[in-house]
Amino acid sequence: NAGVTQTPKFQVLKTGQSMTLQCAQDMNHEYMSWYRQDPGMGLRLIHYSVGAGITDQGEVPNGYNVSRSTTEDFPLRLLSAAPSQTSVYFCASSYRQYTEAFFGQGTRLTVV
Amino acid sequence: QQQVKQSPQSLIVQKGGISIINCAYENTAFDYFPWYQQFPGKGPALLIAIRPDVSEKKEGRFTISFNKSAKQFSLHIMDSQPGDSATYFCAAGGLYNNNDMRFGAGTRLTVKP
Repeated sequence: NAGVTQTPKFQVLKTGQSMTLQCAQDMNHEYMSWYRQDPGMGLRLIHYSVGAGITDQGEVPNGYNVSRSTTEDFPLRLLSAAPSQTSVYFCASSYRQYTEAFFGQGTRLTVV
Repeated sequence: QQQVKQSPQSLIVQKGGISIINCAYENTAFDYFPWYQQFPGKGPALLIAIRPDVSEKKEGRFTISFNKSAKQFSLHIMDSQPGDSATYFCAAGGLYNNNDMRFGAGTRLTVKP
């Protein structure tokens, strides 16, 4: 009963490097999303997907790419890491948009 | 532009007391208002949610009060316990808002034994 699994849990990147944060869910949820959490800012939506093959931008999409080739997986790609992308990243899934969202444990990313 | 404003930023309550956290929103297209609870090192978890067709929803010790005309909603935690110590986030979303859920900045609740 895994729910939403994020990897890695911690990552340090150098400015300009690229990487992919992995997210997988085993609940057959249609809706998946990525948030970043910064102190005093709450959670801000980066990208979301309403189903396989469909993605859209959220509130803070710049510097990030996503794809949704399967229902289960929703990876987040940082194209060229910047210190401003230092944050805790959460992946979430829900049966539909605006129903209960289940969050992963988060990935703490530091860009130096 | 913060579409959901949450207060207070932090809250200290004695065991057995009532914890109250308030949120205000701007977009009248919002029609789904959840509250999430987050413990350190964990992802947020849904606590309780309300839609604007009701003014109050209660689940155990947790109650959401909703005032549509004032565009405000609040979380009340009755008989607060040390185990309730966590960060609480309100959020707002709308089926017709085209995309995203907007979160408040969070309230760090500490319940003293």
